[in-house]
Parts: sequence; structure tokens; C-alpha cells
Amino acid sequence: KAGVTQTPRYLIKTRGQQVTLSCSPISGHRSVSWYQQTPGQGLQFLFEYFSETQRNKGNFPGRFSGRQFSNSRSEMNVSTLELGDSALYLCASSLSGGVQYFGPGTRLLVL
Amino acid sequence: SQQGEEDPQALSIQEGENATMNCSYKTSINNLQWYRQNSGRGLVHLILIRSNEREKHSGRLRVTLDTSKKSSSLLITASRAADTASYFCATVLPSNDYKLSFGAGTTVTVRA
Repeated sequence: KAGVTQTPRYLIKTRGQQVTLSCSPISGHRSVSWYQQTPGQGLQFLFEYFSETQRNKGNFPGRFSGRQFSNSRSEMNVSTLELGDSALYLCASSLSGGVQYFGPGTRLLVL
Repeated sequence: SQQGEEDPQALSIQEGENATMNCSYKTSINNLQWYRQNSGRGLVHLILIRSNEREKHSGRLRVTLDTSKKSSSLLITASRAADTASYFCATVLPSNDYKLSFGAGTTVTVRA
């Protein structure tokens, strides 16, 4: 089975712009979670989607949003980018809870 | 705040030695998982231990869980250069089995 894929792998944006990241889960997995990893804050949970519904959201401002499509693919969007949004964004999929399988991440740099 | 705290922050060992790292957490859990991350890439799942289990093995990995102390340890035996990575513990709460709360991680360097 193919693993979790994330696109793009690297991204450079400027402050104030918006960005959309994409995640394709492992075939058959209906749960997709997003995490932000920074040197200062470590790995933090952003949100999780299951069958197109957001089940939980982490402690992030409303500029961070996401969605899931009927084929379980997910996107996350960050609007009005700030320097502090520079991070590695990781997507993970699972059947429903339990072990999560992570993609390689999208490294976002905000200038 | 993060649910898990790991100790030590960094560890440097010689190839062939064992590496032990610890994770402490704050609230009751459903399970605890360990992940490995190489050089800022994606995380790889290593092992999951449920709250009613005390010890699990997987190859050269041994994980223990002490729910009374709210702590877990990961032991890597006979380390190899390829074990050089950051190791994270992640807790899953009973009420929320799809959200991982990660510790800060332990960076392990295995010297040849």
C-alpha cells in the first residue's frame, strides 16, 4: 500500500499570504490528522477529520482551517501568514484512532 | 501544554550500547505510543502500549508503562548508527483516541 503523501514538500511564502497544503491518506484510512512541528513548541495537534467531519481542533487561531473530501483526502489552509507559522506540517492517517501513519511533511517558510 | 515530558533531551551512545529514554505524562491515558523521526522528516510508529499493559517488545525495542507513576520508558538494545534519530512519546486520552499529545522528544546519537 502506498503511504501517506503530502504536497508540496517545500513552500516559501511571504507574510500576509495564504497557503493550502494537501494530504492523501493511506487507502482505506478515513481519519486524517494534522500536526504542526516547530523547534519552540514541538509537535502540536491542529485538527482531525473523519468522514469529512472535523472531530476535534487544537488550540490554534481561526486562520488555520481544514477540510476533508469524500475520498478522505484532506487539505489545510492557513490564511494571513505570520512569521511564526514557519514550521513542518505533518499529516497522519489512521483507520480510526490507534496507530497513526505520518506523511513526510510540508516544510513551510514564511518570509 | 504538552501531555508528555521526555528525559533526557539528548543522548549520545556508542554503537552496540543500549539507549533508554523516559516519558512522563499528566493525566490518565488510553494508550501511549512511541515514534521515531529522522532529520525533520515524517514520524514512524514504533510501538503502542495500552493502559492495561505493563511491557511490550518489538525487535530490539522494549517499552514499559507504569500507570501509577504516569511514566513510560523506551529501551533500544544493541544500538546501531541507523537508530540515530529523535524519539517521541505520544499519549492518547480515553476520551479522544485520535489525538496524539507529544512530548518534546529525545535526540539519540549513535556513534560508530
